[in-house]
Amino acid sequence: AQKVTQAQTEISVVEKEDVTLDCVYETRDTTYYLFWYKQPPSGELVFLIRRNSFDEQNEISGRYSWNFQKSTSSFNFTITASQVVDSAVYFCALSEARMGGSARQLTFGSGTQLTVLP
Amino acid sequence: GAVVSQHPSRVICKSGTSVKIECRSLDFQATTMFWYRQFPKQSLMLMATSNEGSKATYEQGVEKDKFLINHASLTLSTLTVTSAHPEDSSFYICSARPPSNNEQFFGPGTRLTVL
Repeated sequence: AQKVTQAQTEISVVEKEDVTLDCVYETRDTTYYLFWYKQPPSGELVFLIRRNSFDEQNEISGRYSWNFQKSTSSFNFTITASQVVDSAVYFCALSEARMGGSARQLTFGSGTQLTVLP
Repeated sequence: GAVVSQHPSRVICKSGTSVKIECRSLDFQATTMFWYRQFPKQSLMLMATSNEGSKATYEQGVEKDKFLINHASLTLSTLTVTSAHPEDSSFYICSARPPSNNEQFFGPGTRLTVL
């Protein structure tokens, strides 16, 4: 069975601070995908990143960076120089990969509510 | 880019009525669509997987006779909440996956309130 744990329920930071959101996962699959989504108050899920289990390279996209550590089954997300607009719920998710590489349904973590104060 | 729409975005209904939610992939064909439910301040929980032309696969604990899913075409899946009760009030989100793609594209969600 798959499981995604986001131990941080709520985080508050002051604008311009860096913040890291933790994600730990469990899966028996050797091939899987990891995701991060942002959910602002409007409710719509915003896709941030997808990472294949074979690709352990860290990734940076603007103020966002992701640290994938297969040895510890973690896929942490860091926002540098946070802004008020970053306030949202962030979900980490896991999907096994079926034959042919396509993903199956997502297992979501419980989410982390990030509040960035001005 | 791939766009998924949901209709309605918000619905309020009386207890005992049925509500239909539509999920459409606007610019791609989706052989598989997923329906999720999210209660306030909670995570998204998969309800069912909808495959075009076949019966949906429901997750454990989800009543298939209460949550009717129809995936009649490659661009449309519908979720009907039958005999809705206040405890069915939730945010329902669909996602769609193109045939040869490992991406899932999410709809904007439907907020259901049952009075």
